[in-house]
Amino acid sequence: GEDVEQSLFLSVREGDSSVINCTYTDSSSTYLYWYKQEPGAGLQLLTYIFSNMDMKQDQRLTVLLNKKDKHLSLRIADTQTGDSAIYFCAETPYSSASKIIFGSGTRLSIRP
Amino acid sequence: NAGVTQTPKFQVLKTGQSMTLQCAQDMNHEYMSWYRQDPGMGLRLIHYSVGAGITDQGEVPNGYNVSRSTTEDFPLRLLSAAPSQTSVYFCASSTRGGTGTEAFFGQGTRLTVV
Repeated sequence: GEDVEQSLFLSVREGDSSVINCTYTDSSSTYLYWYKQEPGAGLQLLTYIFSNMDMKQDQRLTVLLNKKDKHLSLRIADTQTGDSAIYFCAETPYSSASKIIFGSGTRLSIRP
Repeated sequence: NAGVTQTPKFQVLKTGQSMTLQCAQDMNHEYMSWYRQDPGMGLRLIHYSVGAGITDQGEVPNGYNVSRSTTEDFPLRLLSAAPSQTSVYFCASSTRGGTGTEAFFGQGTRLTVV
């Protein structure tokens, strides 16, 4: 089956790195994604990784994929107050390109 | 481009009333989906469509109907509203490409059923 799990909350100090973790069950997932939701808004795609990659870096964002353990993480370097949001891990099953399965979201809060 | 437009932004219904949530996209995407977002449960897929005239059920379809007569529009109908349908509803459109399936979301409709 298709399931994506994340912890619900993460609190970090401004300037530190944030690491948000996710596990998924569908080993046939072709793409994995991180979406960001700011208060009162819809979701926006932050970054993605193809399933045959193990790392992707994009400015302050680093995505790590451990396909053997079905574990995905998002690292945000030098976390800023503007990074406060809910972060969703998501996958596209190989069997259905039209579906995106989302995790429950991790609420990232930044303390001074 | 407007992207994905949802209306209304807020709605209060009485139990048993029906209504339609509107969703339109101007990106010529073939895929469109409806999700509901509840605290601690992430986004759950209600219905989705892979093209005009084709719809399918997602994870939580009961109590909702959809149709896709055009590429642009994908309305969601609540047949007889229940308090359990109080939620924030998001419409998304997407297309398959080199970056996988990137979904573009509307701003959401906050629905309260009393």
